[in-house]
Amino acid sequence: DAKTTQPPSMDCAEGRAANLPCNHSTISGNEYVYWYRQIHSQGPQYIIHGLKNNETNEMASLIITEDRKSSTLILPHATLRDTAVYYCIALSSGTYKYIFGTGTRLKVLA
Amino acid sequence: ETGVTQTPRHLVMGMTNKKSLKCEQHLGHNAMYWYKQSAKKPLELMFVYNFKEQTENNSVPSRFSPECPNSSHLFLHLHTLQPEDSALYLCASSQSSTGYGTDTQYFGPGTRLTVL
Repeated sequence: DAKTTQPPSMDCAEGRAANLPCNHSTISGNEYVYWYRQIHSQGPQYIIHGLKNNETNEMASLIITEDRKSSTLILPHATLRDTAVYYCIALSSGTYKYIFGTGTRLKVLA
Repeated sequence: ETGVTQTPRHLVMGMTNKKSLKCEQHLGHNAMYWYKQSAKKPLELMFVYNFKEQTENNSVPSRFSPECPNSSHLFLHLHTLQPEDSALYLCASSQSSTGYGTDTQYFGPGTRLTVL
């Protein structure tokens, strides 16, 4: 599975959009990009995933570049409850081995 | 609420104790997973069960013994643990861990284990 690289930390003002980048320059054609978040000492929460196209759900939007070498998770209106560690994972189709890195610690500021 | 529950949420045990962690999923999934998350470290996959059969043991010491009696329940039996085994133990489930397409995992809240 492709290795992903994320900035270690980011701050975002409450009510503003939080844009979390992820680099996956070695991603292969059948690898999906998954995003999870982990609020302090809780289990990771699934947010969204995608292959090529941009995706949107009630929690967030996922923008994948055309060459698929990077992606951005967008929380459109960040709240204090969005403060968490966000993980970007590249997962091959038909496999289950999530490889969690150290993620991005997002702090939403009042 | 993800549909995956874990009990107990917190556990303190001595090195000579025997205890068990329990995980139950209400999602109709066929695959279940145990992960370990030590302080300041990424999640590490420990075991995978698919249709009640163990399909992965990620070089986990034998003092951790998993059991999967059916697709909805997963246990982690603990005995003679060491203080360095103190961690957050997370259970997850997915539709199936083989096959094509994606297989989103849903995590429980975890059990915070402290070994004295």
